[in-house]
Amino acid sequence: GQNIDQPTEMTATEGAIVQINCTYQTSGFNGLFWYQQHAGEAPTFLSYNVLDGLEEKGRFSSFLSRSKGYSYLLLKELQMKDSASYLCAALLYNQGGKLIFGQGTELSVKP
Amino acid sequence: DTGVSQDPRHKITKRGQNVTFRCDPISEHNRLYWYRQTLGQGPEFLTYFQNEAQLEKSRLLSDRFSAERPKGSFSTLEIQRTEQGDSAMYLCASSLDSYNEQFFGPGTRLTVL
Repeated sequence: GQNIDQPTEMTATEGAIVQINCTYQTSGFNGLFWYQQHAGEAPTFLSYNVLDGLEEKGRFSSFLSRSKGYSYLLLKELQMKDSASYLCAALLYNQGGKLIFGQGTELSVKP
Repeated sequence: DTGVSQDPRHKITKRGQNVTFRCDPISEHNRLYWYRQTLGQGPEFLTYFQNEAQLEKSRLLSDRFSAERPKGSFSTLEIQRTEQGDSAMYLCASSLDSYNEQFFGPGTRLTVL
């Protein structure tokens, strides 16, 4: 079956660094997406990893290890506005490109 | 605005009524996906279209659910004889093809009383 696991919630301090982990077990895996979702809003794209390694985009970085079925999202210089749910999603190329999502990690940034 | 749009944004209905939601994808996108999200969970795949062809339906989609994309542009999702368990956020997403980023619309929040 398809399975994506990530922690339910995390808390961090403004200005700090936080790492949100995601493990996956899927068939037909093509790549790993990270989306940010504020309460009541649609998910917005953060990153997409296809190859192993680290992708950096400003304050956000994402890492993928295909052999370990593991990814993480790294957020630096945390700001209050980063408080949101972070969704890890596997793209399945053999199933029309549909996304299988984890349950989301609710990040709370405290002053 | 060239993003994905959905209408309505909110829908409150009584159990047993039929409801229909609309999604307008980004214009050049061939792929259109419907997902359902309940509180505290990630979105769950419901169905997807390649142009006007519906290529897959999740087992989550009972016979009461039907989706169309008649001209390969906008799509509609209809729920017949709604039940309280249908209450959720219904998200639409579109992409150029199966290997590219999916852009999500704002969603339609359905409440069944």
